[in-house]
Amino acid sequence: GAGVSQTPSNKVTEKGKYVELRCDPISGHTALYWYRQSLGQGPEFLIYFQGTGAADDSGLPNDRFFAVRPEGSVSTLKIQRTERGDSAVYLCASSLSSGDEQFFGPGTRLTVL
Amino acid sequence: GQSLEQPSEVTAVEGAIVQINCTYQTSGFYGLSWYQQHDGGAPTFLSYNALDGLEETGRFSSFLSRSDSYGYLLLQELQMKDSASYFCAVRGGNYGQNFVFGPGTRLSVLP
Repeated sequence: GAGVSQTPSNKVTEKGKYVELRCDPISGHTALYWYRQSLGQGPEFLIYFQGTGAADDSGLPNDRFFAVRPEGSVSTLKIQRTERGDSAVYLCASSLSSGDEQFFGPGTRLTVL
Repeated sequence: GQSLEQPSEVTAVEGAIVQINCTYQTSGFYGLSWYQQHDGGAPTFLSYNALDGLEETGRFSSFLSRSDSYGYLLLQELQMKDSASYFCAVRGGNYGQNFVFGPGTRLSVLP
């Protein structure tokens, strides 16, 4: 079956611009996670959704970052007033509600010039 | 705070056995996961330990000691395709709702 998909695969933007990153989880997976990963480091937790609600957003670095999952499936990570330090690969993962195995998407590589 | 420690690099030869250790300090602990990531690829799940002891899945085994805040991943009969980065991750938080990943161990398998 289809895995987790993320669009776009690459995004180049200018400092100060707004970007949206999309994640399509595996059908039936109620849990959805966003991470960001810088080169040579492990994924950094950003936010966790269970269904439509953000169960834990403690990893969002500041109020420029926001994520939604209005229908409990597709999720969008929104970054306002982008900064060069936001450049990273943004990973999305999904899992069954009680599952410990997360399925990761291919990521979106964000570059802020 | 929350922190995980892993060796940064490990090198071994084909056919050998290698152990990658992970120690952690986290608030709330529900389990320890291991993920493999090839260069340019997405992390893929290898194993999850919620209870103490050894879990075996084919050539890979994972161990957890909650009292020592320690775990390891054991890779046997190494193959060239095992060259990748390996991350341990703690499932934590108040009700197991977030995951903290370690810095990763880069494994190089030599012929």
